[in-house]
Amino acid sequence: KAGVTQTPRYLIKTRGQQVTLSCSPISGHRSVSWYQQTPGQGLQFLFEYFSETQRNKGNFPGRFSGRQFSNSRSEMNVSTLELGDSALYLCASSLGFFGAEAFFGQGTRLTVV
Amino acid sequence: DQQVKQNSPSLSVQEGRISILNCDYTNSMFDYFLWYKKYPAEGPTFLISISSIKDKNEDGRFTVFLNKSAKHLSLHIVPSQPGDSAVYFCAASAAGANNLFFGTGTRLTVIP
Repeated sequence: KAGVTQTPRYLIKTRGQQVTLSCSPISGHRSVSWYQQTPGQGLQFLFEYFSETQRNKGNFPGRFSGRQFSNSRSEMNVSTLELGDSALYLCASSLGFFGAEAFFGQGTRLTVV
Repeated sequence: DQQVKQNSPSLSVQEGRISILNCDYTNSMFDYFLWYKKYPAEGPTFLISISSIKDKNEDGRFTVFLNKSAKHLSLHIVPSQPGDSAVYFCAASAAGANNLFFGTGTRLTVIP
């Protein structure tokens, strides 16, 4: 069974640009959650999508957005990049019910210069 | 506001001894707690969980203890092995919500 796949693995962008990250969940999983990991902040929840609908949202500015497609693949977009957006972005997939185990991808390392 | 806190950024333990990783939380609505392990360049992997109706859950060398009144949980690894060296994250969720609140992690180093 293939795991969670995130692309690209590494990305360098310039301040002010926008970026799109992709996540392919485990087959059969309908929930995809996105997290931002920065040193000293741990993993911060961005949002969760379930069956193409945003079901939960963390405390991030509107520059951070996402969507989920009918095949459960999800994309995350960050517009007007800031230096502080440099982080590891992790995606997790699960079956979507409370307590279901979340499986993480390897993450996308975004560097904003 | 960090609702899940891991106040020890690092811990070093001799191989064969016990490793105790601690976690505190502030939100009394949390009722499901998990520990994840993370190696460099990999995503976190699930280790063990506990629901608020229990105070202990054991899986092989790993035991999680939950003290609801103190809003505190701990992960015990006995005996510790060099392969356990990783960053450990504590996470929590509230009933009805599928998002996890993570702590900042504790880097465990097991010295051979």
